[in-house]
Parts: sequence; C-alpha cells; structure tokens
Amino acid sequence: RKEVEQDPGPFNVPEGATVAFNCTYSNSASQSFFWYRQDCRKEPKLLMSVYSSGNEDGRFTAQLNRASQYISLLIRDSKLSDSATYLCVVNLGGYNKLIFGAGTRLAVHP
Amino acid sequence: EAGVAQSPRYKIIEKRQSVAFWCNPISGHATLYWYQQILGQGPKLLIQFQNNGVVDDSQLPKDRFSAERLKGVDSTLKIQPAKLEDSAVYLCASSQINWGLAGGSHYEQYFGPGTRLTVT
Repeated sequence: RKEVEQDPGPFNVPEGATVAFNCTYSNSASQSFFWYRQDCRKEPKLLMSVYSSGNEDGRFTAQLNRASQYISLLIRDSKLSDSATYLCVVNLGGYNKLIFGAGTRLAVHP
Repeated sequence: EAGVAQSPRYKIIEKRQSVAFWCNPISGHATLYWYQQILGQGPKLLIQFQNNGVVDDSQLPKDRFSAERLKGVDSTLKIQPAKLEDSAVYLCASSQINWGLAGGSHYEQYFGPGTRLTVT
C-alpha cells in the first residue's frame, strides 16, 4: 500500500467550477499535512498547510480527518491558472521528512 | 531573496555513464534535500543533510548514488553507473534547520528548478 494515495485524475472542469481532491495516508503517526502545487515541468511549491480544524485561503479550503487518515482540498470558482498537479504531502515528523503522493492533475478550461 | 539553484537543467547520458548534479540552497538554510521525481510520480526523498551531516539516506541506492555536502552549503549528487530507470527529474530543496524534536515541526521546503536526466 502506498504511504500517500491520490486519485491521479485528470479532473477536467470549466472555469468557475468547484472541484475537490481527496487523499489518504497510511502512517497514523504522521505529524503534519500539506498541499503542494506543481505546474508542468516546474518544481513543487507549497500551496497550504492542512489543519484538523479546517483552514481556508481565498478560494482554497483544506480539511484533515485524522481518524480516517484522510485529507481534502476544495477549490472554488476555478480559474484557468489553477491548472496544475496538486500533491498531497505528509510530514512524518522527526527531521522534517515529507512523503509525497503522486498528485492529482487538474485542467481548467474556458 | 535568491532561490535554490541547480545545474545543469538538462542532461542526456548513455547507460553505464556517470553524471553529477549540483545544488546551492537558499542562504541560511541548514537543511538540504535531494529528491527523485519519476514521470507521473511524486518526489521521493533520496537523501537529507543537516549542515554537512546526513540525517536520512534510507532510500538512496548506495551502490550507484552518492551525495556530499562538504562545507554545509553546496551539495552534489552523483550517479555512477547510470541505469535506464534513473531517468527522472532530480530536485534539490532546502529549509531551515529542524532539530528532530519529538512532535517535529515543519519548515517549508523550497525547491530548485530541478535537473531533468535522460538515460539512453
């Protein structure tokens, strides 16, 4: 079983749509959780951290369910510029070791 | 503030040849990471340095891969000899130092642009 699992997509949505990505992780000792964004042929960049209480950053909302070992990302009012791969990331703690999922690809079309 | 620098950006070699990649982290970042990202997969940690010491190299194929960070700043990653399955993007990242305390804490990792390696 992979440590972090994501639906690879692609998710093809029109501008203005709401889209949700899900992720599950296997290590119950995981310390912290993140979503990274990776544009085509570019490096990953931190999008947002994920907290149990849920957190929002503009059009993006992230949620963590520790009991189910499940992480989600909701994007509202999708923009063309949101087209990218979204990587679910788990920090195992200790020396800041990150485990990346394979990513979910999003394509927003006009 | 300058980001993480990597070179070369692209490299094509034949199998059994050797290759080296270079990384210069963000100034002041004591922790440096090398990742391998195969097409269609997420980045996989190969090795992590804290200053010039290795704190995690559990997924580094040590029979062919080596890395060093002699002065606690720049780092090089070497593959010798290369195999076809080494074709990937090699990403370097850096972050502030993490002391590995219980409970951990996250310092954002900043990635360089990567080196795209093709082994033929």
